[in-house]
Amino acid sequence: GAVVSQHPSRVICKSGTSVKIECRSLDFQATTMFWYRQFPKQSLMLMATSNEGSKATYEQGVEKDKFLINHASLTLSTLTVTSAHPEDSSFYICSARGTGGEKLFFGSGTQLSVL
Amino acid sequence: GEDVEQSLFLSVREGDSSVINCTYTDSSSTYLYWYKQEPGAGLQLLTYIFSNMDMKQDQRLTVLLNKKDKHLSLRIADTQTGDSAIYFCAVDGGGNKLTFGTGTQLKVEL
Repeated sequence: GAVVSQHPSRVICKSGTSVKIECRSLDFQATTMFWYRQFPKQSLMLMATSNEGSKATYEQGVEKDKFLINHASLTLSTLTVTSAHPEDSSFYICSARGTGGEKLFFGSGTQLSVL
Repeated sequence: GEDVEQSLFLSVREGDSSVINCTYTDSSSTYLYWYKQEPGAGLQLLTYIFSNMDMKQDQRLTVLLNKKDKHLSLRIADTQTGDSAIYFCAVDGGGNKLTFGTGTQLKVEL
């Protein structure tokens, strides 16, 4: 099946710093990528939809200036958590859907811990 | 918006069958999915079913869809300890967005 690579898998940072998470589709072109956030023992919450070459669409309640999304190519989307605070600590997961595909493939997730 | 519900926990003995249930509210859903998540990992697509199907079987996995009742189930035959994980159903209502269920923690006991 298709592979989506997400890096880093785990990051610990100080409060106030910014963290970038990368999501790459390795063997297919992803016109659309999605970023989710997951709190412990909870379901996934869609944060934003990222379309190649255009601005991301953010879900209600998600601060676009806080969570910067860039989808510069058909195989790479990045999520930057700016000025991170402890409440931003969470598991972030990206997913990608190829052109004309009905399946959604997920990265392995990034555990962000803000001290 | 779409509301997707699952029971939180299921415990079975190794070798038995597991049935994980999911209910949803949006009748216009096109594709319905089952994902598996192991601790600290992303989601792994197990199987999916198109809304015009009633059943889909893939090796040990059987998906049943009752559109009238908006009920989706995943049956795992001969459940093994390696099947212990959280299972999410997800519903695609269009617009490239999936709505995930609350997740069912499956525990397989020896």
